[in-house]
Amino acid sequence: DAGVIQSPRHEVTEMGQEVTLRCKPISGHDYLFWYRQTMMRGLELLIYFNNNVPIDDSGMPEDRFSAKMPNASFSTLKIQPSEPRDSAVYFCASSPHGQPFNEQFFGPGTRLTVL
Amino acid sequence: DQQVKQNSPSLSVQEGRISILNCDYTNSMFDYFLWYKKYPAEGPTFLISISSIKDKNEDGRFTVFLNKSAKHLSLHIVPSQPGDSAVYFCAAKANAGGTSYGKLTFGQGTILTVHP
Repeated sequence: DAGVIQSPRHEVTEMGQEVTLRCKPISGHDYLFWYRQTMMRGLELLIYFNNNVPIDDSGMPEDRFSAKMPNASFSTLKIQPSEPRDSAVYFCASSPHGQPFNEQFFGPGTRLTVL
Repeated sequence: DQQVKQNSPSLSVQEGRISILNCDYTNSMFDYFLWYKKYPAEGPTFLISISSIKDKNEDGRFTVFLNKSAKHLSLHIVPSQPGDSAVYFCAAKANAGGTSYGKLTFGQGTILTVHP
């Protein structure tokens, strides 16, 4: 069974451009999480969904960030406009029903560089 | 406001010796703790966990200890192997409902290097 799939793996863009990161969770998983990893703050939860519904977006840095989950097999994280301080590795993770806090399965991440 | 802290950015250990990774937390509502391991260019993978009703959980070479009074947990790896070289993240879950359900708070990570 395929794991969590993220695309692109690397993204380099210029300040002010729109960036869209994509995620396909593991089939059958009800929970989907978006994280950002930086050296200073480690892994930060940005937002998570349960059954395609956003449950907690308190970690989203500001209005420039938005996330959607139009169906059970696809989610996007959008940054518009992007800024150099958004440069980080963004991870998507999913977990099955009943265990959202145990064994979250992570994708390989998208390394974003904003010039 | 870092509720989960890993104060050692890196740790270097000789193969065969013990590796001890530490984690401190501030939120008394945390009731479940996890350790994740991350290799370069990969996502974190779950390693071991412990509930707040226990003070120790063991899985092969990996043991997690929880000291609730000190709000401290540690991961012991014995014996350490070169393949254990990775970034280790400590994470915690709060005993709360609503939007906190399912939420993990991670530390900054500790880079472990095991030398042959």
